[in-house]
Amino acid sequence: GAVVSQHPSWVICKSGTSVKIECRSLDFQATTMFWYRQFPKQSLMLMATSNEGSKATYEQGVEKDKFLINHASLTLSTLTVTSAHPEDSSFYICSARSGSSGYEQYFGPGTRLTVT
Amino acid sequence: ELKVEQNPLFLSMQEGKNYTIYCNYSTTSDRLYWYRQDPGKSLESLFVLLSNGAVKQEGRLMASLDTKARLSTLHITAAVHDLSATYFCAVASFFGNEKLTFGTGTRLTIIP
Repeated sequence: GAVVSQHPSWVICKSGTSVKIECRSLDFQATTMFWYRQFPKQSLMLMATSNEGSKATYEQGVEKDKFLINHASLTLSTLTVTSAHPEDSSFYICSARSGSSGYEQYFGPGTRLTVT
Repeated sequence: ELKVEQNPLFLSMQEGKNYTIYCNYSTTSDRLYWYRQDPGKSLESLFVLLSNGAVKQEGRLMASLDTKARLSTLHITAAVHDLSATYFCAVASFFGNEKLTFGTGTRLTIIP
C-alpha cells in the first residue's frame, strides 16, 4: 500500500515552454502533497505544500507564478513549470500524506526535467 | 528556522567495517526520518523515529534518536557493497503540515 506515482518520469522541453508534472496517490487519499526539487548531488528542498481544494503554500524564494501547483482532488496534484529556463532543470519529487494514516509522507519516483 | 546537518558528507569504507552517520537538528521536533537514495532514484524510507531513546534496526542498519541532544545516528554494521547509496535524515516540523527539512545527505561508498 501507500504508492505514489509521478508522470512523466523524465521530460525534455525547450526554453520558454511550460511543462506539467503529475503526482498521484494510487491507493490512498492524500489530503496533503508536497513538492521538492533536487539539484545534482544536493539535498531535497521543499518547494511547496498543497492541501486538497486550497491554494498551495510556497516556501520562501519559490516563485508561485512560475511553479503552479494544483491539488484538485484527493489523489492528484500537478506542478506546472511555466516559461521554463535551463536553470529549472532538476529532479522534481512529490510526496503525499494521508489524513487518516497520520504523519508519514510517501514519496513518488521523481521526474527529471531537462530544459534545453 | 529548522536546520539539519549531517556528517560526514562523504564516507568511503571497506566491506565488513562499522561506521556511524550523525544527524543534528536545531529546534524541537517529534519525528525524525532516515531515507536512502540510489543514483537517479527517489527516496526509500528506512526508519521513522518518534520519541526520545527510540532505536530501530533493520538488517545491518540501526537508527537511534536523542531528542534532548537533538541528535540521531545511523549505524552501519559490517558494511556490504549493496549499502552504497546516499543517506538522508529529515526532521518534521513541530507544527502544521509536517513539513520535512532534509539534511545535507551522506554519500556512502562501500569498497570491496
